[in-house]
Amino acid sequence: EPEVTQTPSHQVTQMGQEVILRCVPISNHLYFYWYRQILGQKVEFLVSFYNNEISEKSEIFDDQFSVERPDGSNFTLKIRSTKLEDSAMYFCASRSGQETQYFGPGTRLLVL
Amino acid sequence: SQQGEEDPQALSIQEGENATMNCSYKTSINNLQWYRQNSGRGLVHLILIRSNEREKHSGRLRVTLDTSKKSSSLLITASRAADTASYFCATARIMDSNYQLIWGAGTKLIIKP
Repeated sequence: EPEVTQTPSHQVTQMGQEVILRCVPISNHLYFYWYRQILGQKVEFLVSFYNNEISEKSEIFDDQFSVERPDGSNFTLKIRSTKLEDSAMYFCASRSGQETQYFGPGTRLLVL
Repeated sequence: SQQGEEDPQALSIQEGENATMNCSYKTSINNLQWYRQNSGRGLVHLILIRSNEREKHSGRLRVTLDTSKKSSSLLITASRAADTASYFCATARIMDSNYQLIWGAGTKLIIKP
């Protein structure tokens, strides 16, 4: 069964460093998403991406964040200058034209 | 406004018993989805119920939706130790064919063997 994959599974970085989180959505899917979950808290929407552009973003998704679909398979989230409060589990999701979003296993980001 | 508030926050039951988790939300929705998350792991989609549906089944799962009360329930029958996980409801309002999921805080379910 096709699934969303994410790399790396864990990332430790120093405050102020740039990180790129990578996702490979399910191949025939059209809509792509990033969510995050701070430890012990709710999952929060960051951004949705369709037709090679951002379709919606939350207030969390400020100028420090960017997304890209550099080729036909990858979908990346970049945090330009990480802050301590960016420490969280980051989930990528994708869907076809149907309603269900399929999630990857997540990347646990720790900013020191 | 907050959306998708689950209760209880935690639930501990014996294996074989039924587990019921509830979710309330505030705004109008197109669908409501339930996900499971094993400790520190990914989100696994369980079931989706549309706003025009009242009840849906999938294996040992039964989901109900009451749009007049803006609430949903997830029932897991004949629970197993492997059902131990956190369960989240997420609501979706579709606009221009796209949507984001708004999540609740989750119910932590522990099944005692």
